[in-house]
Amino acid sequence: DGGITQSPKYLFRKEGQNVTLSCEQNLNHDAMYWYRQDPGQGLRLIYYSQIVNDFQKGDIAEGYSVSREKKESFPLTVTSAQKNPTAFYLCASRGGAGGDNEQFFGPGTRLTVL
Amino acid sequence: GENVEQHPSTLSVQEGDSAVIKCTYSDSASNYFPWYKQELGKRPQLIIDIRSNVGEKKDQRIAVTLNKTAKHFSLHITETQPEDSAVYFCAASTLDAGNMLTFGGGTRLMVKP
Repeated sequence: DGGITQSPKYLFRKEGQNVTLSCEQNLNHDAMYWYRQDPGQGLRLIYYSQIVNDFQKGDIAEGYSVSREKKESFPLTVTSAQKNPTAFYLCASRGGAGGDNEQFFGPGTRLTVL
Repeated sequence: GENVEQHPSTLSVQEGDSAVIKCTYSDSASNYFPWYKQELGKRPQLIIDIRSNVGEKKDQRIAVTLNKTAKHFSLHITETQPEDSAVYFCAASTLDAGNMLTFGGGTRLMVKP
């Protein structure tokens, strides 16, 4: 499992609360990504970052925010504006220019809104 | 943006038979097509990928074919085994534009002993 980690594994949130999901990688990868997976469905891109201090919205960015202050870290905040946040959240990273094309996924965080 | 459709959504085969999963994509600029395997509650793991300058790629019992003209690509698994049972996702992206993957909806493959 080494290389990219996410915490916590399970997270419970009350409606109206913001929560932050952690994603850390020690692969020296430039690019990092956040995906959301709903039961029985594919992954959808929330945000991505190709380099430190830069990030771009994906297909479903509304109600989410990110930061990329360090190469190793790409935390995702699920805000109270996200209307249906219960889902499985996956972080991924990829090598830099000229590097591997493969996106490596973390183990995921399962968020449940109570 | 890119749209990827995947069929079938479920597939049941007998051990030893072959399995084929098909995907279509909409953006002709897409040039990278990975396939991921995801076991229940686990992270997706890359099993094979193909770039648009290649029509076919094999890795032991797994192969992927790509038809750029028709914008479709397929995963072929031969001599299936019970441990092949999982959900398989296809995806498409453009490598020189951030490699943002657009995923298909997934195929649940069940291999019966």
